Amino acid sequence: GENVEQHPSTLSVQEGDSAVIKCTYSDSASNYFPWYKQELGKGPQLIIDIRSNVGEKKDQRIAVTLNKTAKHFSLHITETQPEDSAVYFCAADNDYKLSFGAGTTVTVRA
Amino acid sequence: EPEVTQTPSHQVTQMGQEVILRCVPISNHLYFYWYRQILGQKVEFLVSFYNNEISEKSEIFDDQFSVERPDGSNFTLKIRSTKLEDSAMYFCASSVTGHPGELFFGEGSRLTVL
Repeated sequence: GENVEQHPSTLSVQEGDSAVIKCTYSDSASNYFPWYKQELGKGPQLIIDIRSNVGEKKDQRIAVTLNKTAKHFSLHITETQPEDSAVYFCAADNDYKLSFGAGTTVTVRA
Repeated sequence: EPEVTQTPSHQVTQMGQEVILRCVPISNHLYFYWYRQILGQKVEFLVSFYNNEISEKSEIFDDQFSVERPDGSNFTLKIRSTKLEDSAMYFCASSVTGHPGELFFGEGSRLTVL
């Protein structure tokens, strides 16, 4: 089955700086790659996604890139703010079920 | 904004006891899911449910687990005889089309097995 690896496990950034989280996947058949944000006591919420026919997608301060050849994808958050502090999960879809990465705890220092 | 609701938010049970976790999916959604997250580990797919039957299940979802949609609104996960390793956060999710891009997750039910 699909195996998704995510790095780093924790990330501390100064407010206003950028944060980058990287994921790799194993199954070349995976074709959809969402990113979820999980705040304390809440369920994962979709923040951005990318499909395998696209290399990059941007939504305001967040962007995702996908390299299908290398089987890796990344989340970029620019101009980080305190409300960006959360756990972020990458995931890969294979056959309509998601395989998640282990999560990255992002802390934005004021 | 419509949301997936789960109860209880936290349940503590003794090993060997039966547990039922409840979920109310978003009302017009047709596909329902359970995922779980053991503390410090990945979120893992358990089962998907559509048209009143299981459409897919993972290796984790063994005979101790069952799901049911007993009425038009609830979607339940039952663990027949809990084990210590069942301690986890259980997330219910639902979607209209079944595509993962349209999954809405609940806030989770934390199960602690003693």
